[in-house]
Amino acid sequence: QSALTQPASVSGSPGQSITISCTGTTSDVGTYNYVSWYQQHPGKAPKLMIYDVTKRPSGLSDRFSGSKSGNTASLTISGLQAEDEADYYCSSYTSSSTWVFGGGTKVTVL
Amino acid sequence: QVQLVESGGGVVQPGGSLRLSCAASGFTFSTYGMHWVRQAPGKGLEWVAFIRYDGSDKYYADSVKGRFTISRDNSKNTVFLQMSSLRVEDTVVYYCAKGLVEWDGGWHPFDIWGQGTMVTFSS
Repeated sequence: QSALTQPASVSGSPGQSITISCTGTTSDVGTYNYVSWYQQHPGKAPKLMIYDVTKRPSGLSDRFSGSKSGNTASLTISGLQAEDEADYYCSSYTSSSTWVFGGGTKVTVL
Repeated sequence: QVQLVESGGGVVQPGGSLRLSCAASGFTFSTYGMHWVRQAPGKGLEWVAFIRYDGSDKYYADSVKGRFTISRDNSKNTVFLQMSSLRVEDTVVYYCAKGLVEWDGGWHPFDIWGQGTMVTFSS
């Protein structure tokens, strides 16, 4: 159950768009459309942002979008805002009936 | 209001045991699968275990298999994590999380998380 691979950090200026990648294998991201993304602010519990690769929970801003190609999933944040500064984690269901997370990406708004 | 409240964390000794609880409210607990996820301070998330809505299926991360047991009491809207043979790397914050979809077999993600309970080792 190796962790999914994410960049350690991504930064952007307010109003810009950024993309966070999440690379797995054919045992997880490449096979299942059960990829999700979580946002976590310091000292807080994670919050579901994207599920089933592209779906947003009810009420969530459409500035957040997800996609997948092969073994790599991506989260795009458009119109970057100060409150988007947080840690972001991808996760995927696996062929072992378990879940695996990425190592996390720190998003900094310049 | 959907809410999950963990309890049972505390100080343990290496090799010791501890049972965590997670009390749910605001939704029909008996129709949702439940997960435990953990996180070391300043580190990433690690999925730990899942239990199906009726308790019929349970899955574990390799790192805890054989040492941890997940269970639930639908009459009390509570999910448990019994931890034994505790190691240094087990001393982290434990979150319980609710499955997104009713009647799920475990492949859908977690939409609601508790605030976590901390497990630490005594020196």
